[in-house]
This record gives sequence, structure tokens and C-alpha cells, in this order.
Amino acid sequence: GAVVSQHPSRVICKSGTSVKIECRSLDFQATTMFWYRQFPKQSLMLMATSNEGSKATYEQGVEKDKFLINHASLTLSTLTVTSAHPEDSSFYICSARDRQWSSYEQYFGPGTRLTVT
Amino acid sequence: DAKTTQPPSMDCAEGRAANLPCNHSTISGNEYVYWYRQIHSQGPQYIIHGLKNNETNEMASLIITEDRKSSTLILPHATLRDTAVYYCIVRSPRYNFNKFYFGSGTKLNVKP
Repeated sequence: GAVVSQHPSRVICKSGTSVKIECRSLDFQATTMFWYRQFPKQSLMLMATSNEGSKATYEQGVEKDKFLINHASLTLSTLTVTSAHPEDSSFYICSARDRQWSSYEQYFGPGTRLTVT
Repeated sequence: DAKTTQPPSMDCAEGRAANLPCNHSTISGNEYVYWYRQIHSQGPQYIIHGLKNNETNEMASLIITEDRKSSTLILPHATLRDTAVYYCIVRSPRYNFNKFYFGSGTKLNVKP
């Protein structure tokens, strides 16, 4: 099956710093990737849609200047949390859609646990 | 995307079938039913999806009612490793750039 990886799996950063999270599709090409955030005991919340070679589209209420998304290739999307604060501490998950298959499934990464101190 | 309703939690004995219901009464004709699950602190895992016919794969079966207003995910022989939150998502693959919006899901507790 299709595999999506994320790096790092865990990161701790100080308040005010920026942190970058990578999402890679390992064995398929993904024109579209998605970024989610999940707080403890809550469901996944879609943050943005990342399209290769174009600007990301953000869901309502998500600050695009705070959560910078870059989708530079068909296998890599990055999410940068800028000027992180403790309230940004969360589980960040990416997913990707295989451009080749028409089943429209999404394959999810293992997630990145961000802790802002 | 159609809204889904799932019970917040369910218990199931190990080795027995787990039947997880999902109501999607406002589903439209071109919307599929997808099921994903999330084991604690991991990314969601695809289970199965269908449009109107019942579907089966190596993980589970999906039963969709004739009016398509509800569906049931069946894990035929639940194991302790099936303990997870199960999400039912209804959406059309043709629209909205294939976005998935997750509801609150059902926490399935498989007990020995």
C-alpha cells in the first residue's frame, strides 16, 4: 500500500521559534496533500490543502501567515509553524492522494507531535 | 459534504463481530461512504469505502442500506488491536478537491 512519512515524529520548541514539519509520499506521486491538526481527545481538523506548484488553500479560521505550507515537489509538502506558542502544541497529521489512482483514497502519515514550551 | 452521526463509544468482546453504525441521512447521489480508523497517537488508517453496494475486503465489510441513509462497518472477528476510533466520512470524490472532514467518530473498545 501507499506510504506517507512525516518528519520529525516529535518536536519540542521554545515559544517564539519556528518549526518545520515534512510530509513525504514514499512510493507514489501526490499532486495534493492535506494538513490536519488534532488536539487531545478531539477529532482531526482539516487545516489546509497543499497543491504541488501552487499556493495552499486554507480552511476558514486557519492563519495562513502562521502556518506556512510549501508543496515543492510531487512527493514533499512542508508545514512551518511560525512564531510558535504553547497553544500551537498539537498533533499534526498530513495525508496525500495518489494522483495515479481514481479511488480517491487518502493515505495518512503517522503524525508529528509538537510541544511548544 | 453530508454530515454523519456515530455513537461516541462501543464495546465488543474479543473474537466477536463488531458492528459500527453510521447515519448519513442527507447523503447525495454522488457521495461515497468512507471508513477510517485511528489507533491512539497514530495517523488514520483507511479501511473501506463504497457508494451503494455492499463491499468487503481483508479488513472489514461495509453494509449500506438501500436508501443509503445509513451504513454499518463490520469487523468480523475483533481483536484487541482493533481498539481505535472509527470515523465514517461521506463525501464526493469529484468535488471539493477530495477534502475529508472528520466527525467525532466511535471509540471501539475491544475487551478480552
